[in-house]
Amino acid sequence: AQSVTQLGSHVSVSEGALVLLRCNYSSSVPPYLFWYVQYPNQGLQLLLKYTTGATLVKGINGFEAEFKKSETSFHLTKPSAHMSDAAEYFCAVTPTSGSRLTFGEGTQLTVNP
Amino acid sequence: EPEVTQTPSHQVTQMGQEVILRCVPISNHLYFYWYRQILGQKVEFLVSFYNNEISEKSEIFDDQFSVERPDGSNFTLKIRSTKLEDSAMYFCASLRQGAQAYSTDTQYFGPGTRLTVL
Repeated sequence: AQSVTQLGSHVSVSEGALVLLRCNYSSSVPPYLFWYVQYPNQGLQLLLKYTTGATLVKGINGFEAEFKKSETSFHLTKPSAHMSDAAEYFCAVTPTSGSRLTFGEGTQLTVNP
Repeated sequence: EPEVTQTPSHQVTQMGQEVILRCVPISNHLYFYWYRQILGQKVEFLVSFYNNEISEKSEIFDDQFSVERPDGSNFTLKIRSTKLEDSAMYFCASLRQGAQAYSTDTQYFGPGTRLTVL
């Protein structure tokens, strides 16, 4: 069975500050890991994914995440927050491409001016 | 850029009524999914569909739910007799799935249908 834990249901940062959204997973097999973003009244948009290879992955809008197997983590970061980054962020895991995604609870990011 | 579309965007129904939620996946995709998100909760998997049959389903997907691909483009979720607790946002997703066993394709999500059961 797979599970995802996102620490912090709400994160608030100032514009220009570092964004760090935490994600830890549990998986019995090497996982595929994803971060999705959901803007108000919209669907889920893929930010980035880790499947194999380089453990630091870069996504859209300046976000990146690092897969750390020893810590079972896949934290999402962005060096400098923009107002437009305010949204809900979901971490997800799947054992293989094509299988169900298991999502975390989500983290609501607020960016203050 | 191709995208997954869903209709309607919002559906209001009375408890006990049947509803059909519709999705048009991306045209060359082979795997289709339904997820739901109850207000304030996480996104939950319902069912996946491949080669005209269900490939995986969750414990949520009981006999009240069914899925169908009635033609070459649509993918539908039917709830036979809606309950109050079925009120949620329902997301459709699709995935291309390459020929390789370890394809790294991504599930692309539609904008969702908000179902309100009164």
